[in-house]
Amino acid sequence: GAVVSQHPSWVICKSGTSVKIECRSLDFQATTMFWYRQFPKQSLMLMATSNEGSKATYEQGVEKDKFLINHASLTLSTLTVTSAHPEDSSFYICSAPPKRGRGYTFGSGTRLTVV
Amino acid sequence: AQSVSQHNHHVILSEAASLELGCNYSYGGTVNLFWYVQYPGQHLQLLLKYFSGDPLVKGIKGFEAEFIKSKFSFNLRKPSVQWSDTAEYFCAVGLNRDDKIIFGKGTRLHILP
Repeated sequence: GAVVSQHPSWVICKSGTSVKIECRSLDFQATTMFWYRQFPKQSLMLMATSNEGSKATYEQGVEKDKFLINHASLTLSTLTVTSAHPEDSSFYICSAPPKRGRGYTFGSGTRLTVV
Repeated sequence: AQSVSQHNHHVILSEAASLELGCNYSYGGTVNLFWYVQYPGQHLQLLLKYFSGDPLVKGIKGFEAEFIKSKFSFNLRKPSVQWSDTAEYFCAVGLNRDDKIIFGKGTRLHILP
């Protein structure tokens, strides 16, 4: 079945540094990738939609300059958290949309802790 | 704006009890409906999905859900829960127009052994 590989699974970084999270579709091409954030004990909130070959679409309230999204190829989408702060600590998940009756395919998530 | 409401934030049941978790959505267009489960320390796992056809959908681990279009609902059910069902359950609605998926706030289910 369709698999989305997300790396790293967890990362700890210092305030002010940047962190890159990668999502790769392993056995299919994903022209679109959704990026979500899940705070502890809360639901997943859609942050942005990356589109291969064009700019990402950000949801209201999400800082474009802070959360840089790049969809470099049909199999790779990246989220870079720039100048990270402790309040950015969260669980970030990517997801590829359904095709031909296949449900959404989620990455395994990245737990980011900013200290 | 589109939204997904899960009525129960925290449910506590004893083993063998029956379960029903409510989910309602607000969106007038065509939707796909999902229930996801997140076990402690693990990532999201699809329980079941509805795209079209029979509104009663059967998923993994004995779960089922019924899509009632007139009520904009997609409630999750299980006739007899087990301790291993302790997890957080998310209802989600996929909007056909742009493939976005919107999640409910989740229901934390705790099964007492």
